[in-house]
Amino acid sequence: EVQLVESGGGLVQPGGSLRLSCEASGFTFSTYSMDWVRQAPGKGLVWVSRIKSDGSGISYADSVKGRFTISRDNAKNTLYLQMNSLRVEDTAAYYCARDYQGLAVWGKGTTVTVSS
Amino acid sequence: QSALTQPRSVSGSPGQSVTISCTGTSSDVGGYNYVSWYRQHPGKVPELMIYDVSGRPSGVPDRFSGSKSGNTASLTISGLQAEDEADYYCCSYAGSGLVFGGGTKLTVL
Repeated sequence: EVQLVESGGGLVQPGGSLRLSCEASGFTFSTYSMDWVRQAPGKGLVWVSRIKSDGSGISYADSVKGRFTISRDNAKNTLYLQMNSLRVEDTAAYYCARDYQGLAVWGKGTTVTVSS
Repeated sequence: QSALTQPRSVSGSPGQSVTISCTGTSSDVGGYNYVSWYRQHPGKVPELMIYDVSGRPSGVPDRFSGSKSGNTASLTISGLQAEDEADYYCCSYAGSGLVFGGGTKLTVL
């Protein structure tokens, strides 16, 4: 079964850091680009970042550029999102998604809450 | 990276057809044939309904169709069913990443 499972979310104070992980199974992870997408409570989907299959071709939304870092370990079938200098407005459910012919496979998401 | 423009809400009766528009610019929707559409039921994970403007993933009913003209993409749902009531989001490649629309709430009357 093709599956993505996110982890690493939680409650953090403004200015803090978190590292999200997304473990892939059921497909050849190393051949796909991957994305992070977030959704604030009651709001719409917002693209966060993308990384190509070999770890190159990295891009970020302006709102997270310079604070978030996407990476992957193809040997561990895992995608990461290092989030630093977190702000209240980063509070959201964070989804990882497989990027080929659309975002065809999504994880169930992990929740990040930034609050003092 | 401005969000694509979608109507906040649309509605239709069972069996009818509805169309949701998604307007961008020549830097996103108009510049690439990489528009996708997602359906999200409350509390659920988004699911891909259309990719590359008009491609339909395996398992998606042919009641769902996509098109594009200039800077505007459209999702048409024919033969509306109660299960179609959900939020719908368009998404486009934008040169250095992706951009989503603000979402449209579809109500089946």
